[in-house]
Amino acid sequence: AQSVSQHNHHVILSEAASLELGCNYSYGGTVNLFWYVQYPGQHLQLLLKYFSGDPLVKGIKGFEAEFIKSKFSFNLRKPSVQWSDTAEYFCAVNAYGQNFVFGPGTRLSVLP
Amino acid sequence: DTEVTQTPKHLVMGMTNKKSLKCEQHMGHRAMYWYKQKAKKPPELMFVYSYEKLSINESVPSRFSPECPNSSLLNLHLHALQPEDSALYLCASSQGVTNQPQHFGDGTRLSIL
Repeated sequence: AQSVSQHNHHVILSEAASLELGCNYSYGGTVNLFWYVQYPGQHLQLLLKYFSGDPLVKGIKGFEAEFIKSKFSFNLRKPSVQWSDTAEYFCAVNAYGQNFVFGPGTRLSVLP
Repeated sequence: DTEVTQTPKHLVMGMTNKKSLKCEQHMGHRAMYWYKQKAKKPPELMFVYSYEKLSINESVPSRFSPECPNSSLLNLHLHALQPEDSALYLCASSQGVTNQPQHFGDGTRLSIL
């Protein structure tokens, strides 16, 4: 069975700082990888996804993520965060024939 | 705005009540899901419907009963719930069960008295 871990429970940054949120998964086969964001009081929104091809994927709102197969990682990055990026971020994995599995989430607080 | 619509947004019910949560999508998706999300936790999968048939039930207690009347609608019938069932209930849909991102509704915030 697949599982997902996220390195940080809570990250606090000042505006304009760079962001990297870690995500690791355990599954030996081919996986599809996702990052979702949940702003306070709102629904889960897809930030970006990786299915195949270029391991560096670009998403909405200036986010990008890099798939490193050898490290089973799919870290989320943003060069310069804004106060409006304050939210909960979930990494998710979906392998063929398996359920969608979410990581525990990382809460990002951006200080103005 | 999300393309998956859930009603009601909030629901307060007693432990003996019977109520239903509703979910609707018009994206032509053939897979629909119910998740339960507790505060500051990731969504936990409850049920998966694929082509209107229940394909996954993640050992959910029988006091939760899903129903998929057609490819656009998904219901969750609630009966004799417990206080620990208080949570945000999320509906999601995707084109297929695998290899596709899921689109989430805003959720129904359920409180059991």
